[in-house]
Amino acid sequence: DVKVTQSSRYLVKRTGEKVFLECVQDMDHENMFWYRQDPGLGLRLIYFSYDVKMKEKGDIPEGYSVSREKKERFSLILESASTNQTSMYLCASSETGGALPDYGYTFGSGTRLTVV
Amino acid sequence: GEDVEQSLFLSVREGDSSVINCTYTDSSSTYLYWYKQEPGAGLQLLTYIFSNMDMKQDQRLTVLLNKKDKHLSLRIADTQTGDSAIYFCAERPDNAGNMLTFGGGTRLMVKP
Repeated sequence: DVKVTQSSRYLVKRTGEKVFLECVQDMDHENMFWYRQDPGLGLRLIYFSYDVKMKEKGDIPEGYSVSREKKERFSLILESASTNQTSMYLCASSETGGALPDYGYTFGSGTRLTVV
Repeated sequence: GEDVEQSLFLSVREGDSSVINCTYTDSSSTYLYWYKQEPGAGLQLLTYIFSNMDMKQDQRLTVLLNKKDKHLSLRIADTQTGDSAIYFCAERPDNAGNMLTFGGGTRLMVKP
């Protein structure tokens, strides 16, 4: 069964801490994504990556960075956590387009981060 | 524009049919998707439809696609309390590479 695994389901961090959210996929997918989900705002794309060591900003990259040193792992980094980064964080992966059928994204179970 | 729109909330009684609607913007979208998110969990792919289809049925789920109106719907027959969740539609426009554009999600509440 294909999987996207996020290392923590729940996380509580203090303001100013550096926070790492880890995501690993076992499907050999080229593409990986980080979203945050907030009530009333839906899913908002933070960063994505099409290949190892490659990253692209999404819609709300401010306050975040990412790392993709290996194909299977995509890390989201909060350089200095703030209370407005309290949210549900979702990682996803997908194949490069062209494969049929296209199953879209596979999501992890999410990490609920609380910054106090 | 890239807005995919859904109503925020739907409430039905157990055993009734639910219909969740979505309007999308890009007529080039090759695939359209429905994802389900249960409380505290990630999104799971529920079903998808290829743009050359008008309808797809999968057990209790029926997806209808009206390309002319850019309207997608998900019908759940005999809705159960376990169907209570947030449902997201998503499109993959041809010119967006591998990116999906998601709607804001519809929260379905099933009352016993």
